[in-house]
Amino acid sequence: DVKVTQSSRYLVKRTGEKVFLECVQDMDHENMFWYRQDPGLGLRLIYFSYDVKMKEKGDIPEGYSVSREKKERFSLILESASTNQTSMYLCASSLWGGEAVEAFFGQGTRLTVV
Amino acid sequence: AQKITQTQPGMFVQEKEAVTLDCTYDTSDPSYGLFWYKQPSSGEMIFLIYQGSYDQQNATEGRYSLNFQKARKSANLVISASQLGDSAMYFCAMREGTEGGGNKLTFGTGTQLKVEL
Repeated sequence: DVKVTQSSRYLVKRTGEKVFLECVQDMDHENMFWYRQDPGLGLRLIYFSYDVKMKEKGDIPEGYSVSREKKERFSLILESASTNQTSMYLCASSLWGGEAVEAFFGQGTRLTVV
Repeated sequence: AQKITQTQPGMFVQEKEAVTLDCTYDTSDPSYGLFWYKQPSSGEMIFLIYQGSYDQQNATEGRYSLNFQKARKSANLVISASQLGDSAMYFCAMREGTEGGGNKLTFGTGTQLKVEL
């Protein structure tokens, strides 16, 4: 059974804290993605990575950074958490290229910054 | 500019009726892919159907079909014979290449579908 696992389902952090959201996939996928999901705004792409140590900015990278040291793990980092980063964060992975390369999603992390 | 546009925030459909969820997209990449995902209230993202930009025929998967009109840049999802379990949020998404070599996957804002008795 294919799996994308996010380290936490719920997280509460204080303003100004450095926050790490971890994502691990066991499908040997090249692509990994981080999205945030907010009501009325859909899923917005923060960062994605298509190879170890490779990353590209998505549509809303400000205030975030990422790390991909190993193929199976993609971390999202909030350098200094702010209340406007309270959201649901979704990690996804997919194979590189080819047809019908659907993305598989983790269960999501609901982050609250207080 | 929005890459993926879903203009229907909410839709209602009667059980057993067909429903069409709209999606338009914008890309200059000649090779791209279009996806539809379902997100029930439990939160998981479920892949439904895929259409490649070079596919000549519309994709179908059981009760789901994708009405692909390339010239209009639209990729509407048609659900036939709606069931109560189809009540969920539906997202349209597009995969396109990037200059850096990656495959970017962009989503729309979603359509909340409610199936009624």
